[in-house]
Amino acid sequence: EPEVTQTPSHQVTQMGQEVILRCVPISNHLYFYWYRQILGQKVEFLVSFYNNEISEKSEIFDDQFSVERPDGSNFTLKIRSTKLEDSAMYFCASSVGLATYNEQFFGPGTRLTVL
Amino acid sequence: GQQVMQIPQYQHVQEGEDFTTYCNSSTTLSNIQWYKQRPGGHPVFLIQLVKSGEVKKQKRLTFQFGEAKKNSSLHITATQTTDVGTYFCAGRLGSGYALNFGKGTSLLVTP
Repeated sequence: EPEVTQTPSHQVTQMGQEVILRCVPISNHLYFYWYRQILGQKVEFLVSFYNNEISEKSEIFDDQFSVERPDGSNFTLKIRSTKLEDSAMYFCASSVGLATYNEQFFGPGTRLTVL
Repeated sequence: GQQVMQIPQYQHVQEGEDFTTYCNSSTTLSNIQWYKQRPGGHPVFLIQLVKSGEVKKQKRLTFQFGEAKKNSSLHITATQTTDVGTYFCAGRLGSGYALNFGKGTSLLVTP
């Protein structure tokens, strides 16, 4: 069964450093997403991406964040200057993108720890 | 903005007991999805409800969507230890497909 993959599984970084989180969505999906989950809290939407551009973003997704699809398979989230409060699990997800069928497939996540 | 609220936050049951989690939205939802997240895992899609008053069943799980499309529930009959996890409801955030998750209900089942 196809699945979303993410690398690395765990990333430790110093405050102020840049990090890039990588995802490979399911190949025939058209919509890609980044969510984050602070430990013990709910899943929060960051950004969605369709047709090589951002389609929606939340208030969390400020100028420190960017997304890119550098090739036909990878989807990346960059945080330019990490803060302590960026520590969270970051989930990538993808979906076919139909109103009547929009199951989102989540990857296993990247745990980001900012020291 | 749209708020999706879930209750209870936690539920601890004995194996074999039933369990229900409730989801309420401040606005009418075009559809609602339910996800399960096992401890240490990622959200896994369970179901999507679209129609007003819709009821769907998956084995011991029953999902309902309210007539006004502002609330939903998930009921598990005769819980098993494999049901342990956090159950999230999620509504579409805006006109796109991004999801607004509720805070989830964490279910603990003891044998």
